[in-house]
Amino acid sequence: AQTVTQSQPEMSVQEAETVTLSCTYDTSESDYYLFWYKQPPSRQMILVIRQEAYKQQNATENRFSVNFQKAAKSFSLKISDSQLGDAAMYFCAYRSEGGSEKLVFGKGTKLTVNP
Amino acid sequence: DAGVTQSPTHLIKTRGQQVTLRCSPISGHKSVSWYQQVLGQGPQFIFQYYEKEERGRGNFPDRFSARQFPNYSSELNVNALLLGDSALYLCASSLVLRARGYTFGSGTRLTVV
Repeated sequence: AQTVTQSQPEMSVQEAETVTLSCTYDTSESDYYLFWYKQPPSRQMILVIRQEAYKQQNATENRFSVNFQKAAKSFSLKISDSQLGDAAMYFCAYRSEGGSEKLVFGKGTKLTVNP
Repeated sequence: DAGVTQSPTHLIKTRGQQVTLRCSPISGHKSVSWYQQVLGQGPQFIFQYYEKEERGRGNFPDRFSARQFPNYSSELNVNALLLGDSALYLCASSLVLRARGYTFGSGTRLTVV
């Protein structure tokens, strides 16, 4: 069974600075998707960025980018120029490309942005 | 356009009771998935439905059941509620199977007392 581990329960960053959130996963599959979701106090899970495992190029969405290391099974999220609105819980998630379509989530990292 | 809507937003039930949670996906989305998020944890997969058929089931007891209607809305039913069923229940929709992303609703907060 696939597992996702987020080793940082909490992180903090100063406004305008850069922060990196860590995620590792365990799988025997070669084709899969990885996601980062943000969950603010409003509770809605919002997709931040996604990465297809077959793509070597790291995904980027504006201030958000990932460092995808397939061999190391690592998928970290970098947030540049942090803004107060970035404060939230961040969840890393895995989805197989075969079999079940379920998302497997980590336990999350609470990000605090200090003004 | 309306996003994924869930109802009710909050409810309180007594142990042993039954509860029905509702989800309306984004217009045109045919896949609906349900997740349980216990406080302090990441969401756990309960069910996925696509075109009114169950496509996946997580490791939850038979007290949990779901269905999808012809308009693609969905209901999650939980019977014989336990204190441990207290959680945020999230619904996610996607246009197709193997989608590149899922849109979540804001969830239903269920408290069992």
